[in-house]
Amino acid sequence: IAGITQAPTSQILAAGRRMTLRCTQDMRHNAMYWYRQDLGLGLRLIHYSNTAGTTGKGEVPDGYSVSRANTDDFPLTLASAVPSQTSVYFCASSEWDRDPNEQFFGPGTRLTVL
Amino acid sequence: AQSVTQLDSQVPVFEEAPVELRCNYSSSVSVYLFWYVQYPNQGLQLLLKYLSGSTLVKGINGFEAEFNKSQTSFHLRKPSVHISDTAEYFCAVSINTGKLIFGQGTTLQVKP
Repeated sequence: IAGITQAPTSQILAAGRRMTLRCTQDMRHNAMYWYRQDLGLGLRLIHYSNTAGTTGKGEVPDGYSVSRANTDDFPLTLASAVPSQTSVYFCASSEWDRDPNEQFFGPGTRLTVL
Repeated sequence: AQSVTQLDSQVPVFEEAPVELRCNYSSSVSVYLFWYVQYPNQGLQLLLKYLSGSTLVKGINGFEAEFNKSQTSFHLRKPSVHISDTAEYFCAVSINTGKLIFGQGTTLQVKP
């Protein structure tokens, strides 16, 4: 089934630990995005990538890094997790050239940092 | 910079009643407008979008929204809701960069 997969589904992490959230899409979309969802704040863009090999910063990039080595994968890394990074993380993708705003979302990763 | 305000955090409504979810935006340039829906324990999916042209936009599942430039609003409506419409709804804007700015979300609770 075409779409976006995210792993893990949920994770509890000790503060200071390193964590990589994985995202894979099989729709051959050239653009991918990472959002965090927090109650009362909606979704906020962390990082994005218009095409493989390029990345850009969103609204809330501090404490996060991304890479885009190929079209399908867009991992998000927390180098040293802090409790304020407790959130639900969503990966999304779109066809940048056709309609960058029609984004397809994965099921999310629920991360708790203690 | 753009911003989005969803005026209601929760909207309870009885099944088969009409509903309106309110969204206002702020921007110094022209924007594109979107409504996304998030069903429980799922990711978001696009409900409808306004890019240009007719100000009344129809989406999936019987929803529609009207763009009002003078009031900077993009309210979402449905004439008769179902239990299955229970979800969180997000209004979003973009200047066509792919960087969506989301509102805080409105939880629609449809009661039998």
